[in-house]
Amino acid sequence: ETGVTQTPRHLVMGMTNKKSLKCEQHLGHNAMYWYKQSAKKPLELMFVYNFKEQTENNSVPSRFSPECPNSSHLFLHLHTLQPEDSALYLCASSQDLAAKRHEQFFGPGTRLTVL
Amino acid sequence: GEDVEQSLFLSVREGDSSVINCTYTDSSSTYLYWYKQEPGAGLQLLTYIFSNMDMKQDQRLTVLLNKKDKHLSLRIADTQTGDSAIYFCAESPGSSNTGKLIFGQGTTLQVKP
Repeated sequence: ETGVTQTPRHLVMGMTNKKSLKCEQHLGHNAMYWYKQSAKKPLELMFVYNFKEQTENNSVPSRFSPECPNSSHLFLHLHTLQPEDSALYLCASSQDLAAKRHEQFFGPGTRLTVL
Repeated sequence: GEDVEQSLFLSVREGDSSVINCTYTDSSSTYLYWYKQEPGAGLQLLTYIFSNMDMKQDQRLTVLLNKKDKHLSLRIADTQTGDSAIYFCAESPGSSNTGKLIFGQGTTLQVKP
């Protein structure tokens, strides 16, 4: 595997379910990100991790719970979601937050539908 | 504040040049980026430009930066149907050490055969 991978690619869940999204990067990076992409809205940054430590939580509701066990893996645990949480969830990675260039490399995303 | 603006839609004919424009607000931005998103996929980094450059060319892509006007453009020469996608510009605010990129809302490029 190369680049940034995300599983599952598609997920349908009810409002009472608990599920997790997984992201893995094979680029040797140390910073990882979760974004939400809804129709007709700009990309919304949700969380940032640098060397496994969370550095940014962009006022995300607590029904979204991130976890970063190591620099290569990032999870987003979901529980009691609302239909308006349906979106494409994108994971990205970059070298680290101290790098001069912050280009981020994105995974293919998980298309989430909340019924 | 930090803000990036793009026009929402551009339609061109195959073989023509496409020019996608972007304006940003943070004059201390160090790097500016162009990403491409095809249907059902994540964002793919196309190119970037450092803020002390005016132009960067990479095969069919030309990036122009007018730092005085805070205007960035992406020109695609000989546009092909495979170039149909959403194009995002993004800035890396100079004042930020969070790795945060500020994205525009994306320009949908439609290439007609």
